[in-house]
Order: sequence, then structure tokens, then C-alpha cells
Amino acid sequence: AQKVTQAQTEISVVEKEDVTLDCVYETRDTTYYLFWYKQPPSGELVFLIRRNSFDEQNEISGRYSWNFQKSTSSFNFTITASQVVDSAVYFCALSEAGYGGSQGNLIFGKGTKLSVKP
Amino acid sequence: DTEVTQTPKHLVMGMTNKKSLKCEQHMGHRAMYWYKQKAKKPPELMFVYSYEKLSINESVPSRFSPECPNSSLLNLHLHALQPEDSALYLCASSQEGVGYGNQPQHFGDGTRLSIL
Repeated sequence: AQKVTQAQTEISVVEKEDVTLDCVYETRDTTYYLFWYKQPPSGELVFLIRRNSFDEQNEISGRYSWNFQKSTSSFNFTITASQVVDSAVYFCALSEAGYGGSQGNLIFGKGTKLSVKP
Repeated sequence: DTEVTQTPKHLVMGMTNKKSLKCEQHMGHRAMYWYKQKAKKPPELMFVYSYEKLSINESVPSRFSPECPNSSLLNLHLHALQPEDSALYLCASSQEGVGYGNQPQHFGDGTRLSIL
């Protein structure tokens, strides 16, 4: 069965600190996709990144970076030099490949609430 | 600004009222979704429309009735709701029809619904 675990419920850091949000997933499929979404207090879920199971290259986008390791079934997210605007709930999600049925639906983790204090 | 627009942003209704939530996207996406999100929880999938046809209904009570008038619009009709239905209702869309797991979903701001 598919499952996404975000063990950190809440994290609080001071501005300019680096912070890593952990995500561990379970799936029996060989082809799958992993996502990170940001949900600020306004409510909208903002798509941050998609990674497919065949691409283990780490990715960097500005202050954001992602570390995908199939060997440990993890897809961790690091924010470098955090800012107050990074305060939000961050969701990791898994989607399996396939056609029809429930394949393609997002399986969300429970989310990690990040608070960045000035 | 989000490319998925939801109205209204806030809605307060009594248990006997009938109201509708609206969602619109102009990205040419072929799949549209309704999610329900309770406080401090992840979104829960309710319905999926793929090419304007209802593809997935996650055993949602009949007091929630979805409608997809065209490829850009998605409605959620509400009737005789219960207090436990108070939540944030999120609409999302993705480029291809349902089942394409590689498609990111793009979400609206949501409607905060309170049932008195």
C-alpha cells in the first residue's frame, strides 16, 4: 500500500537558519512520482517540485533543494537561509503511474508546519 | 496569483441551506478535483472529473453533489450539510485526465466553509 510519512509535525527555526523537512514513502510500484507542496496560511497549496522514480538527481531551486534517495525511500526538502515568508505547512505527496482508477491520485503526508521567526 | 479561482472564499450556511462552491481554471487542464481539508490535516480527495466526466467519487455523502458544466468549470453543490462538514474545500486541476500520475495538480485558494 502507498504511504507517505512526514515524521516532523512542527519545526520552529530562527530566520537565516537552514532547515530540512523529512519525507519517507512506501510504494510497491517501480514507477512513481513524488511532490512537495507549500500551504501558507492563506490556504492555497503551491506546487514546488515533482520528481519521478527514475531520476535520483538532486535538485536546487534558489534557496530550496531536494534530496531523493531511493535506497532509503526518502525525498527530503531543505530550505537554506530560511525567511519568515517560508512559514507554512509543507506537504510531501506520492502518486503512482498508471491509467484509470485511482492511479495518479496524490497520497499526502500529514504535513510539517514550519515556523520561521525573525 | 493562483490560476485556479475559487468562489466564494468564505461561506457560512445553516444546515438547511443550499449553496454552491465554484471553481474555474483557464489552463486547458483536463482533470479537475475537489478536496476537503480539516484543520491540521492533509487534503482528502472527494471527487475527480476527467474530460468533464465524473471519474472518481471517494464515497462522499450525497449531500455533496459535484457538477462539471464544461472543461473550465467545476461546481460543488451543498445541501443539508452537517457541522462536521465545516472545512476548507480546495479545487485543483491537472493537465491530463485522471490516471496520469506525473501531472502536478494546481490548487485554488479554497473556500472556508462553516456550517452553523
